[in-house]
Amino acid sequence: GNSVTQMEGPVTLSEEAFLTINCTYTATGYPSLFWYVQYPGEGLQLLLKATKADDKGSNKGFEATYRKETTSFHLEKGSVQVSDSAVYFCALSGSGNTGKLIFGQGTTLQVKP
Amino acid sequence: EAGVAQSPRYKIIEKRQSVAFWCNPISGHATLYWYQQILGQGPKLLIQFQNNGVVDDSQLPKDRFSAERLKGVDSTLKIQPAKLEDSAVYLCASSSLSSTDTQYFGPGTRLTVL
Repeated sequence: GNSVTQMEGPVTLSEEAFLTINCTYTATGYPSLFWYVQYPGEGLQLLLKATKADDKGSNKGFEATYRKETTSFHLEKGSVQVSDSAVYFCALSGSGNTGKLIFGQGTTLQVKP
Repeated sequence: EAGVAQSPRYKIIEKRQSVAFWCNPISGHATLYWYQQILGQGPKLLIQFQNNGVVDDSQLPKDRFSAERLKGVDSTLKIQPAKLEDSAVYLCASSSLSSTDTQYFGPGTRLTVL
């Protein structure tokens, strides 16, 4: 079945450091891929998405490229801020475009000033 | 535009008791989802509605969980009787028919079963 695997956290970085959170997936067909973010005390928010191979999703300085050949969708940011501290979830859509999301286990990012 | 509303935000019950959660999606969103998020894991879909019909309930433990969306707007998720392993955050999300891959999540209800 479809699944998503993320790198284990927590990830602790200093402000202005480069961020990479790895995400790989297993899926039949051609799923859409997503990154969601959950700030402390808040609900999940869509951060970015990509719907086909080689697409790059970007938002708020974050980027991720849909790599079909490596079945990956790694999240990157060139310079993190304390306000980026949150839990990040990689997800894919199920087949048949029903909207059903399958999530990874989440990666906690802590940015220190 | 108001977001997805959920209540209550927190609930503590004893095992074998019953509990209900309420969700009001974004106005006009035809699709509504309930997810269960156990601590340290990603959310897992329990049930998906389109208007007032069920699209997917394959992972809903039907012996104890039930959900309804009678008028195609707000929805209720019930657990009866609760078990210790039901302790989790229950998330409601909604999306429009024209953009099913963009889901908007509510703040969740944190359930603790003692």
